[in-house]
Amino acid sequence: DIQMTQSPSSLSASVGDRVTITCRASQNISRHLNWYQQKPGKAPKLLIYVASSLQSGVPSRFSGSGSGTDFTLTISSLQPEDFATYYCQQSYSVPLTFGGGTKVEIK
Amino acid sequence: QVQLQESGPGLVKPSQTLSLTCTVSGGSISSGGYYWNWIRQHPGKGLEWIGYIYYSGSTYYNPSLKNRVTISVDTSKNQFSLKLSSVTAADTAVYYCGRDGESTGYHDWFDPWGQGTLVTVSS
Repeated sequence: DIQMTQSPSSLSASVGDRVTITCRASQNISRHLNWYQQKPGKAPKLLIYVASSLQSGVPSRFSGSGSGTDFTLTISSLQPEDFATYYCQQSYSVPLTFGGGTKVEIK
Repeated sequence: QVQLQESGPGLVKPSQTLSLTCTVSGGSISSGGYYWNWIRQHPGKGLEWIGYIYYSGSTYYNPSLKNRVTISVDTSKNQFSLKLSSVTAADTAVYYCGRDGESTGYHDWFDPWGQGTLVTVSS
């Protein structure tokens, strides 16, 4: 199985901050990496697919980068509605696996 | 647009079988090119992929659950279902259904998702 490791597991940030979350795969997954946002009591929402493609309707302050084993999700200017938990997920091989999540909290 | 909705009992007794259904609206489950998935989330924890059924009917299950999982499809009702046998308290979770495709030549991404349904295993 491909292990996905996210860091940090949590962070505190202020509105307007630039936030970076990293995701590392245990083996090369090319660019088959997706990012999701989850708010309490809600289903995850797709933000970024294939490492850097922005899902329709997602604000442009979200961006993704990386390939191989190392990936990054960046929020360029944190907004109040961005406080949530973020997950990466590899779609390279089954079993499909997720990172452990990064909780973004208000400082 | 395609929407998914989970349904089923919210409480299951230990050792029994958990059964959930995902109803697909806004598109046909047999139209081709998609995997229909089950994913779960233990309370306060991360996401665990359970398995999928392909539009052709083929399945793949997470090896961690393989011996207990069955995913099936009812194209006449535009639904797919999950059965998880011999449940314990460790199977208490929110269960989501979700669609992913194969446009990249691999698996794609999960979108859309159902709203999720909490299943509690308790006597």
